[in-house]
Parts: sequence; C-alpha cells; structure tokens
Amino acid sequence: DAGVIQSPRHEVTEMGQEVTLRCKPISGHNSLFWYRQTMMRGLELLIYFNNNVPIDDSGMPEDRFSAKMPNASFSTLKIQPSEPRDSAVYFCASSSGLAGRGDTQYFGPGTRLTVL
Amino acid sequence: SQQGEEDPQALSIQEGENATMNCSYKTSINNLQWYRQNSGRGLVHLILIRSNEREKHSGRLRVTLDTSKKSSSLLITASRAADTASYFCATDGRNAGNMLTFGGGTRLMVKP
Repeated sequence: DAGVIQSPRHEVTEMGQEVTLRCKPISGHNSLFWYRQTMMRGLELLIYFNNNVPIDDSGMPEDRFSAKMPNASFSTLKIQPSEPRDSAVYFCASSSGLAGRGDTQYFGPGTRLTVL
Repeated sequence: SQQGEEDPQALSIQEGENATMNCSYKTSINNLQWYRQNSGRGLVHLILIRSNEREKHSGRLRVTLDTSKKSSSLLITASRAADTASYFCATDGRNAGNMLTFGGGTRLMVKP
C-alpha cells in the first residue's frame, strides 16, 4: 500500500487566496483525521471523519476552514480566505477503525503551507 | 488543554546511552500510543500499550504504563544517531471515539 497520500507537499500562497489541501487515505480505512502542526501550538486535531461523515469538527479554527469527504478515498481541507497565521504543516491521517477506539493512525507526509 | 504532556521537552544524549521520555495524561484511557516524527515528515506509530498492560517491549523500545499515576514512559536503549527525532505520546479517551490526543512531544537528539 502507498500509505496516506497528501498533495500538494508544499504550497505558497498570498493572503486572501483560497487554498485546497488533498488527502487519499489508506484503502479500507474508515477514519480520517486532519491535523495542523506549528511550533507554537504543536499538533492540533482539526476534524475527524468516520465512514465519510464528520464526527468532530470542534478543532476547526473558524469559518474560513472547511473539510469534505465525498467518498472513502478522498478528502479535502479548504481555507478561504487564507491568512498568514494559517501557515503550518497540515497532516492527514487514517485508521482502520477496527478496534473501535484509539486505533493506530497512519500519517501522510504533510503539506507545508506558507501564506505570505 | 492537551491530554498528554511529555517530559522533558528536549533531551540530548550521546550515542549508546539510554533515553527516557515520560508522558502524563488526565483522563481514563483505553490505550496509550507512542509515535515518532523525523524532521519534516509525518508521525509514525511505534508502540501501543493497553490500559490493562503495565509494560511492553519492541526491539530497543520499552514502554511502561501506570494508570494509577496516569503516566507512561518510553525507554530507548542503546540509542543511535538515527533515533534523533521528536517523540509523542497519544491517548484515547474512553469516550473519545476513534480520536487520539497528542502531547507536545519530546525532541531527542542523539549525538554520534
């Protein structure tokens, strides 16, 4: 298996622009997570999907952030409009969900976002 | 606030020495996991210990869990320069569904 795939790996954009990050989870996994990592705030969970349905989006910082999972093999995280404080590394992770709770998560390589 | 907190935040040792990292958490758990992150990469799962286990080994890794103290430790024996990375503990809450809460991590540097 190729593991969790994220694109793009790097994104540099200007303030006010729309940014879309993409994730393909491991085939067969039914849970998907979006995280944001910064030096100041560490690793933060933004949103968690189970069977393509958003279960917990309490970590989404504000209305500028939105996430979708139209099918089991694809998810997007969109920031519109982007701001410099959104600069971070965004990780997508997936898990099998077989254990029901606290499954091992498999992380993608991340997208490094820089908003100028 | 974070469920897990690692201690120390940073650790620097010589190759061949043992490295011990600690994690404290706040609520009851089903299991606790340790992950490793190399610079610029995603986290990689190392080991999982269940709440009814007290100790677990995997190669040069040894993890202990004390649920009465809500703490865990990760020991890396005979460290190598390649062990240089950040190490995170992650806990599930008994009511957290399939989510994990990660601590702030310990940055380990192993000097050759």
